[in-house]
Amino acid sequence: GIQVEQSPPDLILQEGANSTLRCNFSDSVNNLQWFHQNPWGQLINLFYIPSGTKQNGRLSATTVATERYSLLYISSSQTTDSGVYFCGFNAGKSTFGDGTTLTVKP
Amino acid sequence: DAMVIQNPRYQVTQFGKPVTLSCSQTLNHNVMYWYQQKSSQAPKLLFHYYDKDFNNEADTPDNFQSRRPNTSFCFLDIRSPGLGDAAMYLCATSRDLTAWEQYFGPGTRLTVT
Repeated sequence: GIQVEQSPPDLILQEGANSTLRCNFSDSVNNLQWFHQNPWGQLINLFYIPSGTKQNGRLSATTVATERYSLLYISSSQTTDSGVYFCGFNAGKSTFGDGTTLTVKP
Repeated sequence: DAMVIQNPRYQVTQFGKPVTLSCSQTLNHNVMYWYQQKSSQAPKLLFHYYDKDFNNEADTPDNFQSRRPNTSFCFLDIRSPGLGDAAMYLCATSRDLTAWEQYFGPGTRLTVT
């Protein structure tokens, strides 16, 4: 199956800083999605982004399918951005990366 | 306007005592998924239903079963929970398998005593 790798595994930021999270995949996928898992465990949809760039407030995402990666940008981070960020896709089987744990300090 | 609902949010069961977790959706999506997530790990797909067609992952233990009586509801049955089954159980839906955009419920955290 297609392998997926997220980086960095952990990220600690000061409030107000910007960050970039990366998702690499070993073969082409056409249905990549980014999620934020909140402290209560729910996976919140951030972006469904098979290709191109999308923006939603302080967050944006870019997927370059031909180069097999996707990026999630968080600008002016807030403490409420803390949590685990997953990328995922379905290429025959629902697959998730291991996540990036983001901690934003006040 | 909740879209994917899971009940209960927290469930405590005894070792070996059958337990059922519930998921319902208001999206009228064709596909419903059950995932198991243990601490500090990615969600792991257990199985999914495409309409009434059940698809079990090869490594899902026989102890886990599922039912989908209609489009809106899907149940996860754990026949004889062991201590290793303590986890967060996440239900998700998608319109279909190719347009895979998934919507997750809040999860049920299962404790086995």
